[in-house]
This record gives sequence, structure tokens and C-alpha cells, in this order.
Amino acid sequence: DGGITQSPKYLFRKEGQNVTLSCEQNLNHDAMYWYRQDPGQGLRLIYYSQIVNDFQKGDIAEGYSVSREKKESFPLTVTSAQKNPTAFYLCASSMGGWMNTEAFFGQGTRLTVV
Amino acid sequence: SQQGEEDPQALSIQEGENATMNCSYKTSINNLQWYRQNSGRGLVHLILIRSNEREKHSGRLRVTLDTSKKSSSLLITASRAADTASYFCATDANNAGNMLTFGGGTRLMVKP
Repeated sequence: DGGITQSPKYLFRKEGQNVTLSCEQNLNHDAMYWYRQDPGQGLRLIYYSQIVNDFQKGDIAEGYSVSREKKESFPLTVTSAQKNPTAFYLCASSMGGWMNTEAFFGQGTRLTVV
Repeated sequence: SQQGEEDPQALSIQEGENATMNCSYKTSINNLQWYRQNSGRGLVHLILIRSNEREKHSGRLRVTLDTSKKSSSLLITASRAADTASYFCATDANNAGNMLTFGGGTRLMVKP
């Protein structure tokens, strides 16, 4: 089955630690995205990548880092510089190209600072 | 900065009634999409309308787009309790490559 998979589903981080959230897709999509969602709120773009080895900052990139070494994978690292990381993180992918940008989402990772 | 903003933020209706949600955006777009999110889950794509289209239907969903007013509406007809979810509009702006920008969402509750 084709799809986009995020892991883990729940993640706990101690203050001062870096943690990495995984996102893998087998849809052969060029574009991948990371969004943050706070309770009762919309999605805010952290980073996006249109092609392998290239990525762009979104609206709230501070305290986060990404890599795109493979087309299938777009991991997100939440660094200790992110002061309020507790949130629901969503990864998405799309074919790219301005005519067809329907996005497919993973089921999310809920990160909690303990 | 959020490109799209949904209105109302929350909507509560009885089963069988119609639900209308609106989305306004700021810059010119290539297309506008609507997504649904069940609580604590990922988003699911519902419908995409291109900038040169004015109306689109999919089952009980009807989407309109008015580029002169920079607004869109999502109508769900004959609502069911299972339609309870949050609904988001997303835009693919002309000057933003493939970046999808989402609004704050409308939380719909359909009472049985």
C-alpha cells in the first residue's frame, strides 16, 4: 500500500534534548512538508522540500532542522533551541508542480516535553 | 503568516442540516483545497478547485471559489454525525512554489 508514515506516534522529550521525528513516503512524491499544530489551532509550516537535497524554511523554522537525503524520507529534528516544542507534528507529501498539489498526510506525532 | 482564514471557527448543527464554511485568502492562488481532520489524526484531502473554476461537487460536498473576493466556501449537505471534524482550507499561492498554506480551520459538530 502506498502512503506516508510518521513515527513514533507519541514522543516524550526531556528539556534540553534533541529529538528526531521520522517521516517516510512511498508515493514517489517530490515535495514533502512538516507542519506544527497546537491544540484547537490550524497548521503552521515549519519546513518544506520540493526536491532531494533542497529544503526551505516555513513560517516557524526556528528551533527545528530537517534533511532530505532521500526522496522517500524527510526527518524533522526538534532541537533544544525550540522553547515550546509540545505540539502535534504532521508530515505531508505531494507530487509537486503547481497544477497538482493535493497533499497526503501522515497520522502525526504527538511530542510532549516532560 | 496564514494565507487562509476560515469562518466560522466553530459550527454546531443537527444531523440532516447543511453546513457551510467559508475561507478567505490574501494573495492570488493556483488552486484552493479543502481538508478534513478527525481529532488527533492526520488531514484527509476532500476537494481541489483550480483558480479558473468557480464551482465543484463531490458527493455531498460543494465548493465554490470567487477569486475576485479571494474567498471560497465548502457546503456539506444532509450532514451526518460522522461529518463531525475540523475542516481546513489550503492554498497554493502563485508566488510560493509548491508551498501549501493552511487556515485555522472550522470545527464542525453534527449532533445526532
